[in-house]
Amino acid sequence: KAGVTQTPRYLIKTRGQQVTLSCSPISGHRSVSWYQQTPGQGLQFLFEYFSETQRNKGNFPGRFSGRQFSNSRSEMNVSTLELGDSALYLCASSSDSRGNTEAFFGQGTRLTVV
Amino acid sequence: KNEVEQSPQNLTAQEGEFITINCSYSVGISALHWLQQHPGGGIVSLFMLSSGKKKHGRLIATINIQEKHSSLHITASHPRDSAVYICAVLRLGGLTFGKGTHLIIQP
Repeated sequence: KAGVTQTPRYLIKTRGQQVTLSCSPISGHRSVSWYQQTPGQGLQFLFEYFSETQRNKGNFPGRFSGRQFSNSRSEMNVSTLELGDSALYLCASSSDSRGNTEAFFGQGTRLTVV
Repeated sequence: KNEVEQSPQNLTAQEGEFITINCSYSVGISALHWLQQHPGGGIVSLFMLSSGKKKHGRLIATINIQEKHSSLHITASHPRDSAVYICAVLRLGGLTFGKGTHLIIQP
């Protein structure tokens, strides 16, 4: 069974640009969550999608958005990039949206904003 | 005060030692996860607990819901156990994470 796949693995963008990250969950998983990891703040919850609907959202500005497709693949978008958006972005998939099942994480996308 | 507190922040031990990492939380939760992160960023889910105790190989996780506390134990520690161990609690639909415990096992 293939794991969670995130693309790209590494990305360098310039301040003010936008970026789209992709996450393909484990086959059969309908819940995809996104997280940001920085040295200063650690891991923080961005949002969670289940069956193409955003079910929960963390405390991030509106520049951070996402969506989920009918095949459960998810994308997150960050517009008007700031230097502070440099981080490791992780997605995790699970079989349900209640979060009380095991979460499987991807390897992450390391975004550097210059 | 963070909603999820882990201790210790850093731990260096000798191979073979019994390791305990603690996690305390201050809010009501649906479940608690223990995660392992190796250099390079990949995260592996070790346990998901809502009560009691779970064991997988040399790893044991316990949770006390009344005391809002969980522990992760590693028996017969090995250098390959060196990693960051992160406690995360599920509430309001998303995970809230501790800052992690950086564990180094020396041969």
